[in-house]
Amino acid sequence: EVQLVESGGGLVQPGGSLRLSCAASGFTFSNYWMSWVRQAPGKGLEWVANIKQDGSEKNYVDSVKGRFTISRDNAKNSLYLQMNSLRVEDTAVYYCAREDLDSNYYSYFHFWGLGTLVTVSS
Amino acid sequence: QSVLTQPPSVSGAPGQRVTISCTGSSSNIGARYYVHWYQQLPGTAPKLLIYANSNRPSGVPDRFSGSKSGTSASLAISGLQAEDEADYYCQSFDSSLSGYVFGTGTKVTVL
Repeated sequence: EVQLVESGGGLVQPGGSLRLSCAASGFTFSNYWMSWVRQAPGKGLEWVANIKQDGSEKNYVDSVKGRFTISRDNAKNSLYLQMNSLRVEDTAVYYCAREDLDSNYYSYFHFWGLGTLVTVSS
Repeated sequence: QSVLTQPPSVSGAPGQRVTISCTGSSSNIGARYYVHWYQQLPGTAPKLLIYANSNRPSGVPDRFSGSKSGTSASLAISGLQAEDEADYYCQSFDSSLSGYVFGTGTKVTVL
């Protein structure tokens, strides 16, 4: 059974930093692209970042470029999101998601974790 | 602001059929990228409902179906049940943004 368990969320002041983690199990972690998707309170879903199987390629939504860094440790079956210079608008539940590829080699998000809440407030 | 537009809400009586539209543009749905759909029950994480326009993952009832035409896609729920009350999101890739995009979301209410 695929399981994704996020941790590391909490309350942080504007301008602060936080590191999220996602522990994966039930599948061969090193075979899959992985993503972070967030959802602000009462709002819709927003893709944040993803990372290739070996970590050699990373992509970000414009609003977090230069502030967030996605990484992974395949030996530990873990995905990370380092969030710096946090803003009030970064407040959201952050989900870890496993990507599967469609026949055009673009991704959909097949499995999701339960999420971890990040609150940026003074 | 999302580049994929969905109606904020749709409703129907038990047993009825409802459809949710997802309207994009030439840089996403119209560029022949696939559309995928997710169901988010209240207070829970999203769940994959339809992938690659019209395919159901294992365990998803065949009451749910997807289609795509031009720059739009649709999700249909037939034989509506109380347990289908949830938020539904479409998702695709956008070449102008070079990233994955979600629809604005639609809340389905069972009357």
